Amino acid sequence: DAGITQSPRHKVTETGTPVTLRCHQTENHRYMYWYRQDPGHGLRLIHYSYGVKDTDKGEVSDGYSVSRSKTEDFLLTLESATSSQTSVYFCAISDHRDREGAFFGQGTRLTVV
Amino acid sequence: DAKTTQPPSMDCAEGRAANLPCNHSTISGNEYVYWYRQIHSQGPQYIIHGLKNNETNEMASLIITEDRKSSTLILPHATLRDTAVYYCIVNDNAGNMLTFGGGTRLMVKP
Repeated sequence: DAGITQSPRHKVTETGTPVTLRCHQTENHRYMYWYRQDPGHGLRLIHYSYGVKDTDKGEVSDGYSVSRSKTEDFLLTLESATSSQTSVYFCAISDHRDREGAFFGQGTRLTVV
Repeated sequence: DAKTTQPPSMDCAEGRAANLPCNHSTISGNEYVYWYRQIHSQGPQYIIHGLKNNETNEMASLIITEDRKSSTLILPHATLRDTAVYYCIVNDNAGNMLTFGGGTRLMVKP
């Protein structure tokens, strides 16, 4: 399995609090992605990164920010969590040299109460 | 919007071949066809991909039509553990984001 770790795996937080999810990779892949998955919506891209300090928005970026200060880490921050951000969050990595597309982490289940 | 169209669900008998279709009529010349699957609530898992030739690996076979507007993923001997949502995606493998559609929920039945 590709070396990709998400932390925490589960988190319950209160509305209005900041939350940071971490994605860590040991594959030295250039591209990293954050997706969220909700019933009835499938996987939707939040933000992605194509290198250190290079990030861009996906289709559902409102309310989220990201940072990538090192190749191996991609952080997703909810500045002020809302109940609508209750979801399962997946990180993925890829590299154009790969023949196997993107590798996904095991997910973080976030509940905002 | 996703660039692919898949049936929302399919059933298959255990031990039989599962043939999952995908339509990608707007695929560009440099785009590959990728297949992923997601078992229960795990992260999506890569299965196979191809550009224009048919491909086979230990998990599945991928048949791409000559005009590249559609493809079929074949699981030759489906097992109960193959029950999952299968996603067909087109991507140029240059780091651009993967766009997931609804996928096909495959139910393998005893």
